[in-house]
Amino acid sequence: QKEVEQDPGPLSVPEGAIVSLNCTYSNSAFQYFMWYRQYSRKGPELLMYTYSSGNKEDGRFTAQVDKSSKYISLFIRDSQPSDSATYLCAMSRIQGAQKLVFGQGTRLTINP
Amino acid sequence: GAGVSQSPSNKVTEKGKDVELRCDPISGHTALYWYRQSLGQGLEFLIYFQGNSAPDKSGLPSDRFSAERTGGSVSTLTIQRTQQEDSAVYLCASSIVIPGLTNYGYTFGSGTRLTVV
Repeated sequence: QKEVEQDPGPLSVPEGAIVSLNCTYSNSAFQYFMWYRQYSRKGPELLMYTYSSGNKEDGRFTAQVDKSSKYISLFIRDSQPSDSATYLCAMSRIQGAQKLVFGQGTRLTINP
Repeated sequence: GAGVSQSPSNKVTEKGKDVELRCDPISGHTALYWYRQSLGQGLEFLIYFQGNSAPDKSGLPSDRFSAERTGGSVSTLTIQRTQQEDSAVYLCASSIVIPGLTNYGYTFGSGTRLTVV
């Protein structure tokens, strides 16, 4: 079993819809949770960063962490065609320089 | 530089040949990471450098893979006697680590797309 599970999709929604992306994990030691966005033939770019449980909002993006369920989510409101990309969750045990464990990534398409 | 630079962007090589992939991290970033992304897969950790030393090389798949970093800057990932299963996108990332301050994750390069034929 992988440490981090993420539905690869693909997920296709109409413009303006609310998108929900999710990951589950098995290692209860994870405390730092990230969402990366990756456009085709580009490297991933950091979108959201959260510590422990709770919500964090940044513009149209909201990240949620539920450590009791080992479940994290990313919500995108008022989705735009420019949001079409692969979204990867990532997590780590401690803060600072060390490896991140990534999910497989969910391929998202927003249709105009 | 302004971002993490990787070269070459694409590399096609014959099975059995050696390849070298280069990463130029963001200036001043002390930590450097190599990951591999196979088609439809997430990112697989390979190795992490802090300065010129590699505290964690647990992800290197076999002894055909090696990496070094010099001057606390440029890093080279070398794959010897390449196999078809080595075909993937090799991503490099760097980050700055300051004790007591929150590390907001990595900055990735665009990767080297390696195809072994």
